[in-house]
Amino acid sequence: SQQGEEDPQALSIQEGENATMNCSYKTSINNLQWYRQNSGRGLVHLILIRSNEREKHSGRLRVTLDTSKKSSSLLITASRAADTASYFCATALLFTGGGNKLTFGTGTQLKVEL
Amino acid sequence: DVKVTQSSRYLVKRTGEKVFLECVQDMDHENMFWYRQDPGLGLRLIYFSYDVKMKEKGDIPEGYSVSREKKERFSLILESASTNQTSMYLCASSLYDGEEHSNQPQHFGDGTRLSIL
Repeated sequence: SQQGEEDPQALSIQEGENATMNCSYKTSINNLQWYRQNSGRGLVHLILIRSNEREKHSGRLRVTLDTSKKSSSLLITASRAADTASYFCATALLFTGGGNKLTFGTGTQLKVEL
Repeated sequence: DVKVTQSSRYLVKRTGEKVFLECVQDMDHENMFWYRQDPGLGLRLIYFSYDVKMKEKGDIPEGYSVSREKKERFSLILESASTNQTSMYLCASSLYDGEEHSNQPQHFGDGTRLSIL
């Protein structure tokens, strides 16, 4: 069953603008992670936020987590054409043996135009 | 940097063939994962492994098996390939940090685009 659902499915903005993507999920989680995927390539990890954290920053990325609403958002500030990619949220549950089992959403396709 | 290498970027096979997809990671990670990615469905977990010779079913294991004989290598096997297994297959690995609430990201390979004719 799909855990994370992203919104919007597609987003088109101008370079320099901010991009916000949202993710909702259904059950308790260990952490929530955001990944980026360039066309035809593998996923690249962007940022991880633990279930007891509310906000986290990494460079131009800001992630929030609201466990009461079971939602998260990813903000990319001052976007660049090179940020054009698909972005996925993934909710993490611990599995026996140690580690996180991820359930991915269907992603947001971001296009940043010059 | 962690490197996860998938043996083929593109692969074309015929219905009924036994297909092997190979994945190797170079960071001594305990955990390894196989996903498939389809348009509109996102990534779905097929199988994962947290140690040599250990395997666990993911969300869509039917029609697949896996093998982990060495820590660095995790193989996905399509026992008898069918056209509905045409997809992008992604391998990933992650570290087990020994914490009660492990918080480690997964590192992905570039994927194998498999076509079954």
